[in-house]
Amino acid sequence: AQSVTQLGSHVSVSEGALVLLRCNYSSSVPPYLFWYVQYPNQGLQLLLKYTSAATLVKGINGFEAEFKKSETSFHLTKPSAHMSDAAEYFCAVRSSGNTGKLIFGQGTTLQVKP
Amino acid sequence: GAVVSQHPSRVICKSGTSVKIECRSLDFQATTMFWYRQFPKQSLMLMATSNEGSKATYEQGVEKDKFLINHASLTLSTLTVTSAHPEDSSFYICSAWTGSYEKLFFGSGTQLSVL
Repeated sequence: AQSVTQLGSHVSVSEGALVLLRCNYSSSVPPYLFWYVQYPNQGLQLLLKYTSAATLVKGINGFEAEFKKSETSFHLTKPSAHMSDAAEYFCAVRSSGNTGKLIFGQGTTLQVKP
Repeated sequence: GAVVSQHPSRVICKSGTSVKIECRSLDFQATTMFWYRQFPKQSLMLMATSNEGSKATYEQGVEKDKFLINHASLTLSTLTVTSAHPEDSSFYICSAWTGSYEKLFFGSGTQLSVL
């Protein structure tokens, strides 16, 4: 069975600082991994996804993530945080099969301080 | 780009009434739709998977008689919360899967408040 664990329910950074949100996965098959962002009372927006191609994945809004099989990790980074990055971030893994069913991590709240 | 419309965005109802939430794929046919529930400051929990023309598959612990799901067409799935109670208050989100194109799109969510 697939699962993801996000380390740190709350991350606080200063504006302009590096953003690092951690995600580790467990999967019995090569995983498809995703990062989503959610703003208050809104749905989810896809930031990026890993689908077994390049291990370094670039997404929208300057975010990127690196798939590391040896560490079973898929951490999300951004070199310089903006105030507008403050939101909830979810790591997800696709459940087995080609169905679009996702298993989400617990979420990480990113706070950006001026 | 593909859009999923979820309606209403917010609903307040009295305890004991039923509430219907619609999820529409606006410019593509969704072979499968998913319904999630999200409590404040928590993750999304999958409630059920619905395929057009067939019965929904519910996750363990989700009452199928409480949360009725209908997927009557390739562009519309509905979630009806029957005899709603305050503990059903939550944020409900749908997502639509394009199937062979392997794209997944989320609705904007519905905040349900049961008084």
